[in-house]
Amino acid sequence: QSALTQPASVSGSPGQSITISCSGASSDLSGYNYVSWYQQHPGKAPKVMIYDVTNRPSGVSNRFSGSKSGDTASLTISGLQAEDEADYYCSSHTSSNIWVFGGGTKVTVL
Amino acid sequence: EVQLVESGGGLVQPGGSLRLSCAASGFTFSAYDMYWVRQAPGKGLEWVASISISGTYIFYADSVKGRFTISRDNGKNSLYLQMNSLRAEDTAVYYCARRHLMAWTFDFWGQGTLVTVSS
Repeated sequence: QSALTQPASVSGSPGQSITISCSGASSDLSGYNYVSWYQQHPGKAPKVMIYDVTNRPSGVSNRFSGSKSGDTASLTISGLQAEDEADYYCSSHTSSNIWVFGGGTKVTVL
Repeated sequence: EVQLVESGGGLVQPGGSLRLSCAASGFTFSAYDMYWVRQAPGKGLEWVASISISGTYIFYADSVKGRFTISRDNGKNSLYLQMNSLRAEDTAVYYCARRHLMAWTFDFWGQGTLVTVSS
């Protein structure tokens, strides 16, 4: 049950766009469109920002978008704001009925 | 308002046991698959266990298989995690989470309960 691979940190200035990648084995990502992205502020529970690769839950800003190509999924945050500073985790449901998470990416707004 | 409230965490010695509970309210608990996800201090998220709406389908992470047992009581709107043979590496905040009805994602999480395994 290997974890998905994310960069440890990504930073950007207010108003800029940043992209966080998430790569995994073919059994984890490529055959399924079940990738989710979660935002977690310190001391808080995770919150889903994107699900099923590209879908945005009601109430989540349209500055957040998701995509996937082969074994790599991506989360893009456009128009970066101070409130976006948080940890972000990708996750996927797999063919083995297990769930895998990425190691997390710390987003810093400069 | 959807609420998931975990309880039962605390300090336990290595080899000991603990039972976590998650009280659900504000939605039809019996209609949702439920999950436990944990987060070690300063570390990332780790899926622990899953249980289907009626408890028929149950899955565990390899790291807890044979030691942890997930269960639910739909009549009490509650989810449980019985943790035996606890190890230092089980130290974490344990979250219960609900799966979206129509998607493979966790659409609501509790605030978590801290389990510390130490002598």
